[in-house]
Amino acid sequence: KAGVTQTPRYLIKTRGQQVTLSCSPISGHRSVSWYQQTPGQGLQFLFEYFSETQRNKGNFPGRFSGRQFSNSRSEMNVSTLELGDSALYLCASSAGYATGELFFGEGSRLTVL
Amino acid sequence: AQKITQTQPGMFVQEKEAVTLDCTYDTSDPSYGLFWYKQPSSGEMIFLIYQGSYDQQNATEGRYSLNFQKARKSANLVISASQLGDSAMYFCAMREGQNQGGKLIFGQGTELSVKP
Repeated sequence: KAGVTQTPRYLIKTRGQQVTLSCSPISGHRSVSWYQQTPGQGLQFLFEYFSETQRNKGNFPGRFSGRQFSNSRSEMNVSTLELGDSALYLCASSAGYATGELFFGEGSRLTVL
Repeated sequence: AQKITQTQPGMFVQEKEAVTLDCTYDTSDPSYGLFWYKQPSSGEMIFLIYQGSYDQQNATEGRYSLNFQKARKSANLVISASQLGDSAMYFCAMREGQNQGGKLIFGQGTELSVKP
């Protein structure tokens, strides 16, 4: 059974640009969550999509957005990049129930110059 | 206030010995779940073990066990017979409530180093 796949794995952008990250969940999973990991702030929840609808949202500015497609694949977009957006962005997949485990991908490491 | 507290930034353990990683949590919701994840230097978060707030018994998964003390709001991870491959960051996390499926609150992590 294939795991969670995130693309691209590494990318470098400059301030002001935008970026789109992709996540393909485990087959059959309907929930995709996104997290930002930085040395200073640790792991922070961005948002969760379940059956194409945003179900939960963290405390991030509107520059961070996401969507989910009918095949459960998800994308997150960050517009007007800032230096502080440099981070490892992790995607997690789950069946979407209250007791289900979350399975993470290897992450997309974004560097903003 | 911190919802998840991991008080050990770094720990060392001798190979083949057992080690306990501490985690305390804070919630007023009677329904919650507690998770432990391992993050090697490659970055991937690897699921280790889960404990639900209503589970009567401590969770175990192979060499991993979760010492769940509900009254003390403690969910310590015990790794038995440490291996060199156990060297990594370990994160404790909590899911609160019934409708927070993919939303976890993470602690700051504990870096475990296993010595040969």
